[in-house]
Amino acid sequence: GQNIDQPTEMTATEGAIVQINCTYQTSGFNGLFWYQQHAGEAPTFLSYNVLDGLEEKGRFSSFLSRSKGYSYLLLKELQMKDSASYLCAVVSGGYQKVTFGTGTKLQVIP
Amino acid sequence: DARVTQTPRHKVTEMGQEVTMRCQPILGHNTVFWYRQTMMQGLELLAYFRNRAPLDDSGMPKDRFSAEMPDATLATLKIQPSEPRDSAVYFCASGTPTGGNTEAFFGQGTRLTVV
Repeated sequence: GQNIDQPTEMTATEGAIVQINCTYQTSGFNGLFWYQQHAGEAPTFLSYNVLDGLEEKGRFSSFLSRSKGYSYLLLKELQMKDSASYLCAVVSGGYQKVTFGTGTKLQVIP
Repeated sequence: DARVTQTPRHKVTEMGQEVTMRCQPILGHNTVFWYRQTMMQGLELLAYFRNRAPLDDSGMPKDRFSAEMPDATLATLKIQPSEPRDSAVYFCASGTPTGGNTEAFFGQGTRLTVV
């Protein structure tokens, strides 16, 4: 089976930096996705990590440590529109099954 | 503009009725996922298909749920009989394995309410 853990909620200030952590336990790990989901909308792709290290994409960066079963999403220069849920998803197995964590609801305050 | 299309967007039905949700994956994608999302459970994987063949439906209650892909352009999820606890948003997503990963592109979801 799989176990994916994320904090349920976080609050951060506009303009600040926030780090959202994700830990996982799985067999046959292939990679890890981060998705963003605004209330009432579908999840949208942010990043994918398959190797250890940091992947940077504009204001968003994602880090992976396969040996520790750990990833984080780093959001810089927070904007009000970044208020959303952030979902960690693990890809595993020969058929590349994608399993989501329960998500972290981020609230950005002025 | 390629996108995953789900119908209906909203469905209200009475307990005991059959519900059918449809999904048109992005043309060329060979992998289709069905997810259910509730406030309490988050996104739960119900089933997924590769080249129309079911690979894993262990997350789906077998007694009332069924998922099929009659052809490459249509995936269906049926609930019979429906129960109030099935109320949720059901998402379909499609993708194609590329470079060792399958990025899932999500449809807008079907919001199901069973009363």
